[in-house]
Amino acid sequence: EPEVTQTPSHQVTQMGQEVILRCVPISNHLYFYWYRQILGQKVEFLVSFYNNEISEKSEIFDDQFSVERPDGSNFTLKIRSTKLEDSAMYFCASSLGQTPGANVLTFGAGSRLTVL
Amino acid sequence: SQQGEEDPQALSIQEGENATMNCSYKTSINNLQWYRQNSGRGLVHLILIRSNEREKHSGRLRVTLDTSKKSSSLLITASRAADTASYFCATPFSGGYNKLIFGAGTRLAVHP
Repeated sequence: EPEVTQTPSHQVTQMGQEVILRCVPISNHLYFYWYRQILGQKVEFLVSFYNNEISEKSEIFDDQFSVERPDGSNFTLKIRSTKLEDSAMYFCASSLGQTPGANVLTFGAGSRLTVL
Repeated sequence: SQQGEEDPQALSIQEGENATMNCSYKTSINNLQWYRQNSGRGLVHLILIRSNEREKHSGRLRVTLDTSKKSSSLLITASRAADTASYFCATPFSGGYNKLIFGAGTRLAVHP
């Protein structure tokens, strides 16, 4: 069963530091996503990525965030200067397409970010 | 904003009982999905129902969709302790299919 892998599983950082979260989506998927979940809250959409560019982003995804697909397999989320409120579980997901049926998301296990 | 909202927020039942979770959404959709999340883990897709379908089954899962009421339900029959998890409905954003919007989820606890 193909899976989405994320690293690290847990990262602790000091406020103001840069963090990079990494993801390897499923190889034949074309759409990539980052979601986050603050403890006990809902899963929030951050950004979607297709054809090497951002296709959609939420209000949460401000200038402190960026995404990149540096090679043919990795998909990264960078937070330039972390804030306390960035502490959350960050999920990477991918999908085959965007039509009904193809827009089923496969999620990674998540990267827990703790900002001190 | 377009969101799926589940109710109840939490549900506690005994093994063998059925669990029903409901989801409401605000705008027109072409499909609705249900996902499951074990504590601290990623979400796992359970089932997708298209807007022209009224009911769909997958094993012990039954999903219904009422587009006139903008609501869906997920029924888990003969629940097991291993079904303990949070369950989320997700709908495509009306401005495009490019993202799924998740509700707040229903936390299901199944007691042996």
